[in-house]
Amino acid sequence: GQNIDQPTEMTATEGAIVQINCTYQTSGFNGLFWYQQHAGEAPTFLSYNVLDGLEEKGRFSSFLSRSKGYSYLLLKELQMKDSASYLCAQLDSNYQLIWGAGTKLIIKP
Amino acid sequence: TAGITQAPTSQILAAGRSMTLRCTQDMRHNAMYWYRQDLGLGLRLIHYSNTAGTTGKGEVPDGYSVSRANTDDFPLTLASAVPSQTSVYFCASSAGGDRQTNEQFFGPGTRLTVL
Repeated sequence: GQNIDQPTEMTATEGAIVQINCTYQTSGFNGLFWYQQHAGEAPTFLSYNVLDGLEEKGRFSSFLSRSKGYSYLLLKELQMKDSASYLCAQLDSNYQLIWGAGTKLIIKP
Repeated sequence: TAGITQAPTSQILAAGRSMTLRCTQDMRHNAMYWYRQDLGLGLRLIHYSNTAGTTGKGEVPDGYSVSRANTDDFPLTLASAVPSQTSVYFCASSAGGDRQTNEQFFGPGTRLTVL
């Protein structure tokens, strides 16, 4: 099967910047998604990358390098409400999503 | 706008009993999915349906069955529940087709405990 790797947990300070990395297997790649999931809630869509480069959307940006099988989610001006798990998911050759285990982000005041 | 609804919100079930988790979407999406989410693991696909009348097996289909009689509904049935099926179950839908429309929208989840 395909593996999606991302850190289990990260801690950052309110107002700071944090980068959450994700690596995936490059075979059968059709795009890379990032989702946010607050504790006890459903995942919600953040971003989608299919071409190399940086996509910016307000305080959140997502980067993709297809040749390296690498993506990151960049969160700026962190707020307490950003405390959540961030899920990386690869769209495979069958257009199904393969999910990473998620990165739990803890924001400290 | 309701989006996707799931029922029940939570359930405690005795091992060996059967149960159907309900999922309904009002977005006229072609594709629907059932996932389970366990602590420390990513979302794992149980079954999916690319369009009404068709279903397919995901990564962890054993012990589960689905049907897709119409566009809106995608129930998940556990024929004889076992404790390892204790999990949070999410239903999702997407417009389907090409990759630009494959953003998945999730229901609120069903927390199932099998004793």
